[in-house]
Amino acid sequence: EIVMTQSPATLSVSPGERATLSCRASQSVSSNLAWYQQKLGQAPRLLIYDASTRATGIPARFSGSGSGTEFTLTISSLQSEDFAVYYCQQYNKWPPLTFGGGTKVEIK
Amino acid sequence: QVQLVESGGGVVQPGGSLRLSCAASEFTFSTYGMHWVRQAPGKGLEWVAFIQYDGINKYYADSVKGRFTISRDNSKNTLYLQMNSLRGGDTAVYYCAKRGMAATGTSWFDPWGQGTLVIVSS
Repeated sequence: EIVMTQSPATLSVSPGERATLSCRASQSVSSNLAWYQQKLGQAPRLLIYDASTRATGIPARFSGSGSGTEFTLTISSLQSEDFAVYYCQQYNKWPPLTFGGGTKVEIK
Repeated sequence: QVQLVESGGGVVQPGGSLRLSCAASEFTFSTYGMHWVRQAPGKGLEWVAFIQYDGINKYYADSVKGRFTISRDNSKNTLYLQMNSLRGGDTAVYYCAKRGMAATGTSWFDPWGQGTLVIVSS
């Protein structure tokens, strides 16, 4: 099973600032990585797939990078609606499909 | 717009059974693989099961293998999860999710349903 590790667990950021979230895989997942945003009480929403491709309707301030075992989600200028929990997920080798433990982005 | 609507959640005693449904609309259901993903209260996301577009291939997380069965009825555009021998650790919101694209190698989740809560408690 591929273990996904996200850091930090909590990120405190002021509105308008940049946020950088990390995701590490226990073995290479190539570029087969997705990012999701989950707001309180809501279902997750796909942001990024194939490590760097934005999903339909996702603002350009969200960008993904990386390959192999190290990945980054960057939110260039945080808006109030971006405060949420973010998860990474690998789909390179499965079953099982596996998620990271999440990073909570909170208001500083 | 693609829509997934889960139903069938509720409170069940340990050892009991429950069947979840996921009604799909606004896309060609019969051409997409589908997943179930769950989230225990206050916890992260856990993939549960996958079924291929034609229902032939199915995969399960080890935590549910032998107890849960995923199935689908393409004539009704509906996905199911039969859950037997339920345990406290199965308490979670259960989401159905569509495979990202019809092609293989696209096993991200997009979109997700709103979820249905299953509580296993005596």
